[in-house]
Amino acid sequence: DTGVSQNPRHKITKRGQNVTFRCDPISEHNRLYWYRQTLGQGPEFLTYFQNEAQLEKSRLLSDRFSAERPKGSFSTLEIQRTEQGDSAMYLCASSLGVLSTDTQYFGPGTRLTVL
Amino acid sequence: KQEVTQIPAALSVPEGENLVLNCSFTDSAIYNLQWFRQDPGKGLTSLLLIQSSQREQTSGRLNASLDKSSGRSTLYIAASQPGDSATYLCADSGGSNYKLTFGKGTLLTVNP
Repeated sequence: DTGVSQNPRHKITKRGQNVTFRCDPISEHNRLYWYRQTLGQGPEFLTYFQNEAQLEKSRLLSDRFSAERPKGSFSTLEIQRTEQGDSAMYLCASSLGVLSTDTQYFGPGTRLTVL
Repeated sequence: KQEVTQIPAALSVPEGENLVLNCSFTDSAIYNLQWFRQDPGKGLTSLLLIQSSQREQTSGRLNASLDKSSGRSTLYIAASQPGDSATYLCADSGGSNYKLTFGKGTLLTVNP
């Protein structure tokens, strides 16, 4: 399977704990995106990478959140000191980065539950 | 702030019916508009991408149109099937070409 993969698929944690999610994009894709989706809502943009450079971060991405993409391959999203409001589906997507026709391909998501 | 609105929020139709899902967006300076499908608890599957210079795209029983001047897009599904039951989301790229702004989606149920 050459699609976008995310691990873990589900994560249950206690408030105050740190969690880390991983995303492996489609191999030839230069761009990688993180979105967050809560129940009944569409996904909301968090951040994106062009190769290894993080080019934009949403105001939704508080200082408890950090994302990396070392060597422009896989990416990790870490949440420190989790809060109940962080419970959501975290979606990763990747794309080639071609103007106008840049389709974003999404992974299956990581569902986070903070108790 | 870019906003995307989808109407209706939910739609239930009998199998075989043709249907239209609506999407409106506030910023006409978009690179492209994408339609996605999402099954319960799953990620998003890209259905169609319409470039800003195009007016429509077709894939099988799906046809998506784009009218930038009015800020509207529609997704037409022909001869609906129970397997089409899912949430359909539209998203526009705004002027950024990377940051998608999504609507809340339309929950479609096709009854056998």
